[in-house]
Formats: sequence, structure tokens, C-alpha cells
Amino acid sequence: AQTVTQSQPEMSVQEAETVTLSCTYDTSESDYYLFWYKQPPSRQMILVIRQEAYKQQNATENRFSVNFQKAAKSFSLKISDSQLGDAAMYFCAYFPDRGSTLGRLYFGRGTQLTVWP
Amino acid sequence: KAGVTQTPRYLIKTRGQQVTLSCSPISGHRSVSWYQQTPGQGLQFLFEYFSETQRNKGNFPGRFSGRQFSNSRSEMNVSTLELGDSALYLCASSLVTSGGDTQYFGPGTRLTVL
Repeated sequence: AQTVTQSQPEMSVQEAETVTLSCTYDTSESDYYLFWYKQPPSRQMILVIRQEAYKQQNATENRFSVNFQKAAKSFSLKISDSQLGDAAMYFCAYFPDRGSTLGRLYFGRGTQLTVWP
Repeated sequence: KAGVTQTPRYLIKTRGQQVTLSCSPISGHRSVSWYQQTPGQGLQFLFEYFSETQRNKGNFPGRFSGRQFSNSRSEMNVSTLELGDSALYLCASSLVTSGGDTQYFGPGTRLTVL
């Protein structure tokens, strides 16, 4: 069964500093996709970044980047130059490429990020 | 393009009642997935619809059902509500269900069962 583990329930960072959120996953598949979503107090789930497992290059979106280690099944999110608006719950999610799990994202339990001014 | 919309945003029901939640996907998206979010269980997958067909279902009792219409709009229904059904219900839409298409989420419906 696919499982996603976020071992840090809470993290905090000073404004303008860098923070890294950890995520590990378990799968026997070779093709899949990984995502980070953020959920601010409004509860709207917002896509942060996406990574295809077949790509060796780590995805980057402005201040957000990932460190994807396929062999270690690790997918961490780095937020650079943290801003107050980055404060949110961050979810790591796994999406299999095929099989009986169509249309289903597997989520971790989330990491609550606090940004201090 | 307009995002995913969900109605209503808030609902208060009593035990034993039934409820219907609606989700309108992004224009052109044909897949709609539903999730239940609670503090205790986190995000749990309910079901997924593609071209009016349920293609996948999570581990929820039969009181939870859904459907999808020809315009890709989807509804989920919960019958005989229980206190434990209080949750944020999120729907997400995507273009297709394979190839890792990204799911885009609506703002959610907050259901409170008294």
C-alpha cells in the first residue's frame, strides 16, 4: 500500500530565512508523481509544486524547490526567502501513474509551518 | 479560467438527515475526486468520477455516494448523517486520471452534524 509520511508535524522559520519540509513515501511503482500542496487558514488547498518520478531534475517554482531522491523515496520541499504568507499546513502527496488507484492522491498528515516576523 | 467551485460552503445538519454537496470542475476537466478532511483522520479519499463513471472508491460506508453529470459537475450525498461525518469535504478536478495530471481543489464544504 502506498503511504506518505511527514515526520515533522510543526516547523517554524524566521521571515526571509530558508526552511525544509521532509516527506518520505512507500511504493513499489517506478512511475508516479509527487506534489506539495499548501492549505492556509482559509482551508483552500493550493498546489505548490509537482515532480515527475521519471525526471532526475528537481522541480523549482520561484522560491519553492524540491530535493527528490528516488532511491531513498524522499521528497523534501525547500522554501527560500520565507514570507509571512507562506504560513500554512503543507501536505506532501503521491499520485500513482496507473492501476486501480486512478484519480486518487495519497496524502501525508501535513506539516504546520509558522513564519515569524 | 474559473477554478473549482463547491456549494454550499457551510452546512449544518442533524443526525439522521441526509446532505448533498456539489462540485463544479474547471472547464474542460473531466475527472472529479472527493476527499474528506478531519483532524483525526487527515485527508481521506472518497471516490473519483470520470466521464460519469465511478472509477475508484475509498473505504467509506455505503451511506456515502456520488455521481457525475454529462457536464462533469459532480455531487456527493451522505445519508443518515452521523456525528463523525462532520468534516471538510474537498473536491478536486483534473483533465484526465492518468499521466499524473494535477488535481486542483475547490474551497471545500464545511459540514457540521449536530
